[in-house]
Amino acid sequence: GAGVSQSPSNKVTEKGKDVELRCDPISGHTALYWYRQSLGQGLEFLIYFQGNSAPDKSGLPSDRFSAERTGGSVSTLTIQRTQQEDSAVYLCASSLGGYNQPQHFGDGTRLSIL
Amino acid sequence: AQSVSQHNHHVILSEAASLELGCNYSYGGTVNLFWYVQYPGQHLQLLLKYFSGDPLVKGIKGFEAEFIKSKFSFNLRKPSVQWSDTAEYFCAVTSKGGKFQFGAGTQVVVTP
Repeated sequence: GAGVSQSPSNKVTEKGKDVELRCDPISGHTALYWYRQSLGQGLEFLIYFQGNSAPDKSGLPSDRFSAERTGGSVSTLTIQRTQQEDSAVYLCASSLGGYNQPQHFGDGTRLSIL
Repeated sequence: AQSVSQHNHHVILSEAASLELGCNYSYGGTVNLFWYVQYPGQHLQLLLKYFSGDPLVKGIKGFEAEFIKSKFSFNLRKPSVQWSDTAEYFCAVTSKGGKFQFGAGTQVVVTP
């Protein structure tokens, strides 16, 4: 089990609730990325971590979205006061760092907002 | 800002047919280019990548891609597809100081 691990795999929640998504990257990977994949929309970049810092948060769609990474490893993406348009698959990827390193993806968390 | 464009959103073809998926990017500097594939029910995985050197890159499962700098293109090809190639294919580009930018994806369906 050396791949990127995401949990939960599926999450169904009511509109207005907060959700927390977790990503456990490949050991030794310093870079971590969050993406959102909606039907027919491709991959939407959300945020990028290098170590524990996030040099690029430009993709977060609103202030309801936040992410943190601790110990240079596990990252959590939090969505507050969820809306129906937040329904999507949230993907996490990690890499060795550096702009030329390929990313390794997890299976994603499918989030459904009722 | 860099961007990536995949021209075909949906491709249907028969087994043994040849496949070519277009990918164009907009960025004038040095880029690294990738093709990723997502098989049904599986996570995204790397097909091939180009950093420098020979512009014709060979990847897994018989896929190849050609980097044409003058056309800002990185098209993916496979001479003879199989039913198991049914998947969604994503082109991606990154550059020094830039983010990883993915295209919208191309859904490929191979019929027996």
